[in-house]
Amino acid sequence: GAGVSQSPRYKVAKRGQDVALRCDPISGHVSLFWYQQALGQGPEFLTYFQNEAQLDKSGLPSDRFFAERPEGSVSTLKIQRTQQEDSAVYLCASSPMFFRQGENTEAFFGQGTRLTVV
Amino acid sequence: KQEVTQIPAALSVPEGENLVLNCSFTDSAIYNLQWFRQDPGKGLTSLLLIQSSQREQTSGRLNASLDKSSGRSTLYIAASQPGDSATYLCAVGGFYNFNKFYFGSGTKLNVKP
Repeated sequence: GAGVSQSPRYKVAKRGQDVALRCDPISGHVSLFWYQQALGQGPEFLTYFQNEAQLDKSGLPSDRFFAERPEGSVSTLKIQRTQQEDSAVYLCASSPMFFRQGENTEAFFGQGTRLTVV
Repeated sequence: KQEVTQIPAALSVPEGENLVLNCSFTDSAIYNLQWFRQDPGKGLTSLLLIQSSQREQTSGRLNASLDKSSGRSTLYIAASQPGDSATYLCAVGGFYNFNKFYFGSGTKLNVKP
Protein backbone atom coordinates (compact mmCIF):
# COMPACT_ATOMS: atom_id res chain seq x y z
CA GLY A 1 0.00 0.00 0.00
CA ALA A 2 0.91 3.66 -0.14
CA GLY A 3 1.54 4.04 3.56
CA VAL A 4 1.52 2.32 6.93
CA SER A 5 -1.95 1.00 7.65
CA GLN A 6 -3.26 0.25 11.12
CA SER A 7 -6.47 -1.44 12.18
CA PRO A 8 -8.79 -0.98 13.84
CA ARG A 9 -8.72 2.82 13.94
CA TYR A 10 -10.69 2.83 17.19
CA LYS A 11 -11.12 0.14 19.81
CA VAL A 12 -13.14 0.24 23.00
CA ALA A 13 -12.35 -2.57 25.39
CA LYS A 14 -13.79 -3.49 28.76
CA ARG A 15 -11.24 -3.70 31.54
CA GLY A 16 -9.77 -7.16 31.60
CA GLN A 17 -10.43 -7.86 27.94
CA ASP A 18 -7.64 -8.88 25.56
CA VAL A 19 -7.06 -6.78 22.42
CA ALA A 20 -5.01 -7.18 19.24
CA LEU A 21 -3.87 -4.25 17.15
CA ARG A 22 -2.66 -4.76 13.60
CA CYS A 23 -0.02 -2.94 11.59
CA ASP A 24 0.59 -3.32 7.85
CA PRO A 25 3.91 -1.59 7.11
CA ILE A 26 4.94 -0.18 3.79
CA SER A 27 5.80 -3.08 1.48
CA GLY A 28 9.45 -4.05 1.67
CA HIS A 29 10.21 -2.09 4.82
CA VAL A 30 12.52 -4.09 7.04
CA SER A 31 12.23 -2.04 10.24
CA LEU A 32 9.00 -1.78 12.23
CA PHE A 33 8.29 0.08 15.45
CA TRP A 34 5.44 0.37 17.91
CA TYR A 35 4.90 3.53 19.96
CA GLN A 36 2.35 4.44 22.63
CA GLN A 37 0.99 8.00 22.80
CA ALA A 38 -0.96 9.06 25.88
CA LEU A 39 -3.29 12.03 25.63
CA GLY A 40 -1.34 15.29 25.42
CA GLN A 41 2.03 13.54 25.35
CA GLY A 42 4.56 12.61 22.73
CA PRO A 43 4.83 9.01 21.54
CA GLU A 44 6.92 6.64 23.64
CA PHE A 45 8.85 3.71 22.23
CA LEU A 46 7.49 0.23 22.85
CA THR A 47 9.35 -2.20 20.61
CA TYR A 48 11.42 -2.60 17.43
CA PHE A 49 11.53 -5.36 14.80
CA GLN A 50 14.12 -5.96 12.15
CA ASN A 51 12.30 -8.22 9.71
CA GLU A 52 10.80 -10.93 11.95
CA ALA A 53 13.30 -10.47 14.76
CA GLN A 54 12.22 -8.45 17.78
CA LEU A 55 15.50 -6.76 18.63
CA ASP A 56 14.30 -4.37 21.31
CA LYS A 57 11.27 -4.69 23.56
CA SER A 58 12.59 -2.50 26.33
CA GLY A 59 9.64 -0.10 26.12
CA LEU A 60 6.87 -2.62 26.69
CA PRO A 61 5.33 -1.48 30.00
CA SER A 62 4.46 -4.90 31.38
CA ASP A 63 4.30 -8.57 30.51
CA ARG A 64 0.69 -8.01 29.46
CA PHE A 65 2.06 -6.45 26.26
CA PHE A 66 3.25 -8.72 23.50
CA ALA A 67 4.23 -7.97 19.90
CA GLU A 68 5.00 -10.23 17.00
CA ARG A 69 5.92 -10.04 13.33
CA PRO A 70 6.15 -13.70 12.33
CA GLU A 71 6.78 -13.29 8.59
CA GLY A 72 8.61 -10.01 8.66
CA SER A 73 5.72 -7.96 7.31
CA VAL A 74 2.45 -7.55 9.23
CA SER A 75 2.82 -7.01 12.96
CA THR A 76 0.37 -7.45 15.82
CA LEU A 77 0.51 -5.79 19.21
CA LYS A 78 -1.45 -7.73 21.77
CA ILE A 79 -2.48 -6.43 25.17
CA GLN A 80 -3.82 -8.93 27.66
CA ARG A 81 -6.16 -8.11 30.54
CA THR A 82 -6.41 -4.45 29.54
CA GLN A 83 -6.31 -1.78 32.24
CA GLN A 84 -7.51 1.81 32.13
CA GLU A 85 -3.93 3.07 32.02
CA ASP A 86 -3.52 1.26 28.69
CA SER A 87 -5.86 3.82 27.08
CA ALA A 88 -3.76 5.59 24.46
CA VAL A 89 -3.09 5.86 20.75
CA TYR A 90 -0.85 3.08 19.52
CA LEU A 91 1.28 4.09 16.56
CA CYS A 92 3.13 1.84 14.19
CA ALA A 93 6.01 3.01 12.02
CA SER A 94 8.18 1.39 9.39
CA SER A 95 11.41 2.18 7.59
CA PRO A 96 13.17 0.75 4.55
CA MET A 97 16.48 0.61 6.35
CA PHE A 98 17.91 -1.30 9.25
CA PHE A 99 18.34 0.82 12.33
CA ARG A 100 21.79 0.16 13.65
CA GLN A 101 24.71 2.18 14.82
CA GLY A 102 25.99 4.32 12.01
CA GLU A 103 22.95 3.67 9.86
CA ASN A 104 19.76 5.40 10.83
CA THR A 105 17.06 7.19 8.96
CA GLU A 106 13.49 8.43 9.15
CA ALA A 107 10.47 6.31 9.92
CA PHE A 108 6.99 6.54 8.40
CA PHE A 109 4.08 6.45 10.81
CA GLY A 110 0.57 5.09 10.46
CA GLN A 111 -2.59 6.84 11.67
CA GLY A 112 -2.66 4.88 14.88
CA THR A 113 -5.23 2.90 16.81
CA ARG A 114 -7.00 4.76 19.59
CA LEU A 115 -7.63 2.31 22.43
CA THR A 116 -10.08 3.24 25.15
CA VAL A 117 -10.42 0.91 28.13
CA VAL A 118 -13.63 1.36 30.10
CA LYS B 1 17.71 8.66 29.43
CA GLN B 2 17.24 11.25 26.71
CA GLU B 3 14.73 13.94 27.67
CA VAL B 4 13.16 16.08 24.96
CA THR B 5 11.34 19.30 25.77
CA GLN B 6 9.30 21.50 23.47
CA ILE B 7 8.45 25.11 24.16
CA PRO B 8 5.89 26.57 23.96
CA ALA B 9 3.28 23.90 24.58
CA ALA B 10 0.74 25.95 22.64
CA LEU B 11 0.92 28.91 20.30
CA SER B 12 -1.74 31.01 18.62
CA VAL B 13 -0.77 33.45 15.88
CA PRO B 14 -2.54 35.44 13.18
CA GLU B 15 -2.19 34.29 9.61
CA GLY B 16 0.93 35.52 7.83
CA GLU B 17 3.22 35.63 10.84
CA ASN B 18 6.62 33.98 10.88
CA LEU B 19 7.11 31.77 13.91
CA VAL B 20 9.66 29.59 15.67
CA LEU B 21 9.08 26.37 17.56
CA ASN B 22 11.75 25.17 19.97
CA CYS B 23 13.00 21.72 20.88
CA SER B 24 15.72 20.92 23.40
CA PHE B 25 17.32 17.60 24.34
CA THR B 26 19.53 16.59 27.23
CA ASP B 27 21.96 14.15 25.58
CA SER B 28 23.93 15.54 22.65
CA ALA B 29 24.89 12.03 21.45
CA ILE B 30 22.23 11.93 18.79
CA TYR B 31 22.17 10.48 15.30
CA ASN B 32 19.44 12.65 13.85
CA LEU B 33 16.46 14.81 14.71
CA GLN B 34 13.11 14.71 12.96
CA TRP B 35 10.22 17.18 13.00
CA PHE B 36 6.70 15.79 12.61
CA ARG B 37 3.27 17.25 12.20
CA GLN B 38 0.26 15.58 13.83
CA ASP B 39 -3.31 16.51 12.95
CA PRO B 40 -6.17 15.53 15.31
CA GLY B 41 -6.99 11.86 14.98
CA LYS B 42 -4.19 11.34 12.50
CA GLY B 43 -0.75 9.81 12.56
CA LEU B 44 2.55 11.60 12.26
CA THR B 45 3.66 13.25 9.03
CA SER B 46 7.40 13.69 8.68
CA LEU B 47 8.35 17.26 7.83
CA LEU B 48 12.14 17.44 8.03
CA LEU B 49 14.97 15.11 9.02
CA ILE B 50 18.33 16.55 10.08
CA GLN B 51 21.34 14.28 10.44
CA SER B 52 23.66 15.06 13.35
CA SER B 53 26.35 16.28 10.95
CA GLN B 54 23.98 18.85 9.42
CA ARG B 55 23.10 22.31 10.67
CA GLU B 56 19.79 22.83 8.91
CA GLN B 57 17.25 21.52 6.45
CA THR B 58 14.68 23.40 4.40
CA SER B 59 11.44 22.37 2.76
CA GLY B 60 9.22 25.06 1.29
CA ARG B 61 8.21 27.46 4.07
CA LEU B 62 9.83 25.28 6.73
CA ASN B 63 13.38 25.52 7.97
CA ALA B 64 14.78 23.38 10.76
CA SER B 65 18.10 24.04 12.44
CA LEU B 66 20.17 21.86 14.74
CA ASP B 67 22.79 22.83 17.31
CA LYS B 68 23.87 19.49 18.68
CA SER B 69 26.40 20.86 21.16
CA SER B 70 23.81 23.00 22.91
CA GLY B 71 21.07 20.40 22.57
CA ARG B 72 18.68 22.55 20.60
CA SER B 73 16.66 22.55 17.42
CA THR B 74 14.25 25.10 16.02
CA LEU B 75 11.54 24.82 13.41
CA TYR B 76 10.91 28.07 11.58
CA ILE B 77 7.62 28.47 9.71
CA ALA B 78 7.43 31.39 7.32
CA ALA B 79 4.22 33.18 6.39
CA SER B 80 2.00 30.92 8.48
CA GLN B 81 -1.35 29.78 7.09
CA PRO B 82 -4.49 28.38 8.79
CA GLY B 83 -3.64 25.01 7.21
CA ASP B 84 -0.48 24.94 9.33
CA SER B 85 -2.61 24.49 12.45
CA ALA B 86 -1.56 21.18 14.02
CA THR B 87 0.65 19.77 16.74
CA TYR B 88 4.35 19.77 15.91
CA LEU B 89 6.56 17.12 17.46
CA CYS B 90 10.30 16.81 17.46
CA ALA B 91 11.95 13.42 17.83
CA VAL B 92 15.58 12.67 18.54
CA GLY B 93 17.22 9.54 17.16
CA GLY B 94 19.73 8.30 19.71
CA PHE B 95 23.30 7.49 18.71
CA TYR B 96 23.61 4.61 21.15
CA ASN B 97 19.91 3.74 21.43
CA PHE B 98 19.73 3.95 17.67
CA ASN B 99 16.54 2.01 17.12
CA LYS B 100 14.25 4.38 18.96
CA PHE B 101 13.13 7.97 18.76
CA TYR B 102 12.64 10.13 21.83
CA PHE B 103 9.76 12.54 21.37
CA GLY B 104 8.86 15.83 22.97
CA SER B 105 5.27 16.51 24.05
CA GLY B 106 4.70 18.80 21.10
CA THR B 107 3.69 22.38 20.38
CA LYS B 108 0.04 22.86 19.47
CA LEU B 109 -0.13 25.59 16.84
CA ASN B 110 -3.24 27.53 15.92
CA VAL B 111 -3.02 29.94 13.00
CA LYS B 112 -6.01 32.28 12.96
CA PRO B 113 -7.39 33.49 9.63
